Amino acid sequence: EPEVTQTPSHQVTQMGQEVILRCVPISNHLYFYWYRQILGQKVEFLVSFYNNEISEKSEIFDDQFSVERPDGSNFTLKIRSTKLEDSAMYFCASSLDRASYGYTFGSGTRLTVV
Amino acid sequence: DAKTTQPNSMESNEEEPVHLPCNHSTISGTDYIHWYRQLPSQGPEYVIHGLTSNVNNRMASLAIAEDRKSSTLILHRATLRDAAVYYCILSGIQGAQKLVFGQGTRLTINP
Repeated sequence: EPEVTQTPSHQVTQMGQEVILRCVPISNHLYFYWYRQILGQKVEFLVSFYNNEISEKSEIFDDQFSVERPDGSNFTLKIRSTKLEDSAMYFCASSLDRASYGYTFGSGTRLTVV
Repeated sequence: DAKTTQPNSMESNEEEPVHLPCNHSTISGTDYIHWYRQLPSQGPEYVIHGLTSNVNNRMASLAIAEDRKSSTLILHRATLRDAAVYYCILSGIQGAQKLVFGQGTRLTINP
């Protein structure tokens, strides 16, 4: 069964450093997403991406966040200057269609900011 | 975003059916009803979705009320591996629709 692959599985970074979280969505999917989940809290939407541009972003997705699909297969989330409160699980997801198909999530990257 | 209401927790026994309810009284005509689950320390996993008619797949069944204001996820024969948080989510068809996760129902399966 096709999978969404995320790397690394765990990243520790110092406050103020830049991090890039990587995702390889399912190859024929068209819509791409990033979500995050702070420990013990709900899964929160960050951003959706379609046709090489951001479709929607949440209030969380401020200027320190950016997304890119540089080569048609990878989908990356960059956090420019990490803060302690950015510590969370970050999940990438992809879907083929807007609502008539399910979304496939990756297993996540645990980001720890120290 | 249309909201859903689910019980915080439910408990069932292994090898018995489980019925997980969800209320969505403000659902619009174009909202799909999605169910996802999240096993401990894992990402959300798609379970099933539907629009108006009942749906079956290898994981579960989705029963949708005639007025679409409620639905029930049915696990026909629960296993210990089904212990997870189950989310009922409404998603429209305009644009790259995000999923808005609530607190979900934490399902405990007793051996």
